[in-house]
Amino acid sequence: QKEVEQDPGPLSVPEGAIVSLNCTYSNSAFQYFMWYRQYSRKGPELLMYTYSSGNKEDGRFTAQVDKSSKYISLFIRDSQPSDSATYLCAMRSTGNQFYFGTGTSLTVIP
Amino acid sequence: DAGVIQSPRHEVTEMGQEVTLRCKPISGHNSLFWYRQTMMRGLELLIYFNNNVPIDDSGMPEDRFSAKMPNASFSTLKIQPSEPRDSAVYFCASSFAGNDEQYFGPGTRLTVT
Repeated sequence: QKEVEQDPGPLSVPEGAIVSLNCTYSNSAFQYFMWYRQYSRKGPELLMYTYSSGNKEDGRFTAQVDKSSKYISLFIRDSQPSDSATYLCAMRSTGNQFYFGTGTSLTVIP
Repeated sequence: DAGVIQSPRHEVTEMGQEVTLRCKPISGHNSLFWYRQTMMRGLELLIYFNNNVPIDDSGMPEDRFSAKMPNASFSTLKIQPSEPRDSAVYFCASSFAGNDEQYFGPGTRLTVT
């Protein structure tokens, strides 16, 4: 079983829709949770960061962590064509090694 | 700041040849990571360095892969001999140790024929 599981999609939504992206994980020691956004032929860039359980909101983006279920989510409100990218979840325990999901490809159609 | 710099951006080589990928981290960052990204396996950590010292190389697939960081501003990832299954995009990332924001370079797209 992989440390982090993420549905690769692809996901296609109309502009203005609410998007929900999810990851599950198996290692209960993970404490730090991140979402990276990767545009085509670019490197990933950090989008959201949360520590332990709870919600974090930044503009149109909300990250949720449910450690009891080993489940994290990223919600995008009022999605825009510029949100079209691959979204990767990442997490780590107390060490410096990150574990990434395989990424979900999102297309927002104007 | 120019960000993380990787070279070459694209590399096409024949099986059996040596390949060297290069990375210049962001100035002042003391952690450096090498990743490999494929459609099937996603983004995989190969090795990371703290203060130029390799900390964890358990992700290096086999002895054909080696990485060095001779100083704080330069790192190499070498594959010798290369095989078609090594075809992937290789990313270098850097950060301040203990900081969760890793800054990724643009990647090197390697094709081994």
